[in-house]
Amino acid sequence: AIRMTQSPSSFSASTGDRVTITCRASQGISSYLAWYQQKPGKAPKLLIYAASTLQGGVPSRFSGSGSGTDFTLTISRLQSEDFATYYCQQYYSDPYTFGQGTKLEIK
Amino acid sequence: EVQLLESGGGLVQPGGSLRLSCAASGFTFNNYAMSWVRQAPGKGLEWVSGNSGSGDSAYYADSVKGRFTISRDNSKNTLYLQMNSLRAEDTAVYYCAKALGVYSNFDYWGQGTLVTVSS
Repeated sequence: AIRMTQSPSSFSASTGDRVTITCRASQGISSYLAWYQQKPGKAPKLLIYAASTLQGGVPSRFSGSGSGTDFTLTISRLQSEDFATYYCQQYYSDPYTFGQGTKLEIK
Repeated sequence: EVQLLESGGGLVQPGGSLRLSCAASGFTFNNYAMSWVRQAPGKGLEWVSGNSGSGDSAYYADSVKGRFTISRDNSKNTLYLQMNSLRAEDTAVYYCAKALGVYSNFDYWGQGTLVTVSS
């Protein structure tokens, strides 16, 4: 199975900050990568797919980049509603593994 | 509006069985792959199983292979997960999720149903 490793596991930031989360795959996955946001007690929400394509309705302050094994999710100017846990997921091959998550907290 | 509504969760003893259902609406169900994703209490997301729109192809995580079976009834717009030989480590919220397109990234999720395996 492809292992997905996110860093950092948790992070404190302030509203208005620029934040970058990284995700590394244990083998090449081309651009078959998605990013999700999850808030406590809620289902995950798709933010980005194909590594860099913004899902409809997602604010443009979110962006994704990368291909192969290294990927990033960037939030350009943190808003209060962005404090949540973020997961990457590869869908290059089954099992379709997720990263362990990055919890973004208010500083 | 796309809606996914899971049901069938509950408390079950180790070694027991449970069948989860996911009723889908708001899209052409048989055109889309579907998956089950679970989340143990306080833990991250784990993809469990998925199948194709026709139901002809099914895929499983190693942790559930041989114990869980995914199926779907396209006439009822419903996805199922039959879970046998349940273990304490299967305790989790189980979400059904709709594939965005032909690939297994997920644009819609249900609200989840809690499965607790305990004696």
